[in-house]
Amino acid sequence: DSGVTQTPKHLITATGQRVTLRCSPRSGDLSVYWYQQSLDQGLQFLIQYYNGEERAKGNILERFSAQQFPDLHSELNLSSLELGDSALYFCASSVGGWNSPLHFGNGTRLTVT
Amino acid sequence: TQLLEQSPQFLSIQEGENLTVYCNSSSVFSSLQWYRQEPGEGPVLLVTVVTGGEVKKLKRLTFQFGDARKDSSLHITAAQPGDTGLYLCAGARGPGGGSEKLVFGKGMKLTVNP
Repeated sequence: DSGVTQTPKHLITATGQRVTLRCSPRSGDLSVYWYQQSLDQGLQFLIQYYNGEERAKGNILERFSAQQFPDLHSELNLSSLELGDSALYFCASSVGGWNSPLHFGNGTRLTVT
Repeated sequence: TQLLEQSPQFLSIQEGENLTVYCNSSSVFSSLQWYRQEPGEGPVLLVTVVTGGEVKKLKRLTFQFGDARKDSSLHITAAQPGDTGLYLCAGARGPGGGSEKLVFGKGMKLTVNP
């Protein structure tokens, strides 16, 4: 058990809809990362927060947004969903240093129909 | 552009065989991390290598970081069905690299048949 909790585990929705994925980091970790994993692209970094502030941005679409709350949990909002957004979305947390290992949750499998 | 190339992408072997998976880049990384991911779960860290030429052993797994810190390898001796999974390497560019994010390879999917 990594200590990182992601909900929901599965999500099925229609194109054009909006969903929110939730992540509770490991106790004591200040940094939260969001990744998208698909068969053809592998693990793609989306965005990182550190202690409530955005720290780094990767290949995140404008239709996607995220935030980290004062209690350090994080939410990833995906809107105007397209079929191509179907993927596994992982949250990971770390203590925050550049070389800190990431502790991953078990992911949310999003299916857009 | 995939900054970290892993090879092979897929490998299916029999229990007891040895294997090596490679992680290559044209970029220099301050450290390389190796993760294993099992179906339905998130990646789990196996090891971090930091120094060029460094070799680390974890039971039957041997990890090596290239001298130039551009590549790494993972060697598994006498593979077991429990080794089945997706092996991911991830490079960190370090505090001067402009970002704390890791760069992941696409992974090597290993199946060990009993």
